[in-house]
Amino acid sequence: ETGVTQSPTHLIKTRGQQVTLRCSSQSGHNTVSWYQQALGQGPQFIFQYYREEENGRGNFPPRFSGLQFPNYSSELNVNALELDDSALYLCASSFQYEQFFGPGTRLTVL
Amino acid sequence: AQSVTQPDIHITVSEGASLELRCNYSYGATPYLFWYVQSPGQGLQLLLKYFSGDTLVQGIKGFEAEFKRSQSSFNLRKPSVHWSDAAEYFCAVGASGYALNFGKGTSLLVTP
Repeated sequence: ETGVTQSPTHLIKTRGQQVTLRCSSQSGHNTVSWYQQALGQGPQFIFQYYREEENGRGNFPPRFSGLQFPNYSSELNVNALELDDSALYLCASSFQYEQFFGPGTRLTVL
Repeated sequence: AQSVTQPDIHITVSEGASLELRCNYSYGATPYLFWYVQSPGQGLQLLLKYFSGDTLVQGIKGFEAEFKRSQSSFNLRKPSVHWSDAAEYFCAVGASGYALNFGKGTSLLVTP
């Protein structure tokens, strides 16, 4: 059984650009959540997708958007990048209230 | 609103000593509670979880946690710490659906 994978591992962008992060869910998991973890902080919930529909959203602006595909893989898109978007972005697939996290994508915005 | 408080930002223990990491939560219903560990540059690994039933739960790597409803606490314990336990530890409570609300974490340093 493969775990949750994320790509890319690291990414550097400049302010104002757009970025897409990708996540491959664990086999059999139909729910995926995305979290932002700023340096020295706990992860903050961005949003969650269940069967390709957004199923909940945290306190993040609309320029953070996502997609979930029929194979339950997922994307996180961030438009108009700001310096404060620099963080580790974690994807988690879940089954019965237990979430399994990927290794994360480290995004640096210059 | 749900919230999680981890009062200790940093904790230092000697190898072989016992460990207790504190977690307090605020949640309107019966909480789903979790402890995760994160090594530098890594994702989160689940140590243990509480959904219902026995309030003392056992996890991986010799960790255990006790749910105390009257104190709104879910403290993590380990009887004898190993150098490899040095990491960041996060307590989390299950919010609506599957979303997790995390504390700010406790950084554990293990000295020889």
